[in-house]
Amino acid sequence: AQSVTQLDSHVSVSEGTPVLLRCNYSSSYSPSLFWYVQHPNKGLQLLLKYTSAATLVKGINGFEAEFKKSETSFHLTKPSAHMSDAAEYFCVVGGSNYKLTFGKGTLLTVNP
Amino acid sequence: DTEVTQTPKHLVMGMTNKKSLKCEQHMGHRAMYWYKQKAKKPPELMFVYSYEKLSINESVPSRFSPECPNSSLLNLHLHALQPEDSALYLCASSPLQRELGHEQFFGPGTRLTVL
Repeated sequence: AQSVTQLDSHVSVSEGTPVLLRCNYSSSYSPSLFWYVQHPNKGLQLLLKYTSAATLVKGINGFEAEFKKSETSFHLTKPSAHMSDAAEYFCVVGGSNYKLTFGKGTLLTVNP
Repeated sequence: DTEVTQTPKHLVMGMTNKKSLKCEQHMGHRAMYWYKQKAKKPPELMFVYSYEKLSINESVPSRFSPECPNSSLLNLHLHALQPEDSALYLCASSPLQRELGHEQFFGPGTRLTVL
């Protein structure tokens, strides 16, 4: 069985400041982990993925995430927030039978 | 082509109507998915097709009927829906690989309103 916990339902930052979205996972095997972003009334876009290669994963739009097995974490970071980063972010664990387990989501607000 | 397309973008239907949602991908993916997403919630898996055969049905009511006519197309037929079925319906596809945790590519969704 696997599960995902996104530790913050809402994060608010100022434009130009760092972003940290936190995610902890539970999995009975070596997981595949993803971060997806969803802008209002849009589909989900893959930001980055971890599939047992490098533990520091770089994604699109300046985002990156670090896989820490000892902490069962996969936090998403970005050095400098942009207004266009305002969206819902989902941390996701890949499992067997092609099923994905989604976290509840973190709404990122970027203030000017 | 690395895109999943969905039509229509928006759909309003009455409870007695019959309508269909369509999804298409040309990435050669052999797994395709339907999800339902309510406001401020993560997507919920409804159906999975692999090699054009239904492999997972997450106990979805029979008023939702999926169909996979070929490896590029996925339909969701709707009949006698309820107002609580109003949601964003997302289609996704992924390659079939041995390793676990398949990255899924999502379409933009169909916003369904049931009156």
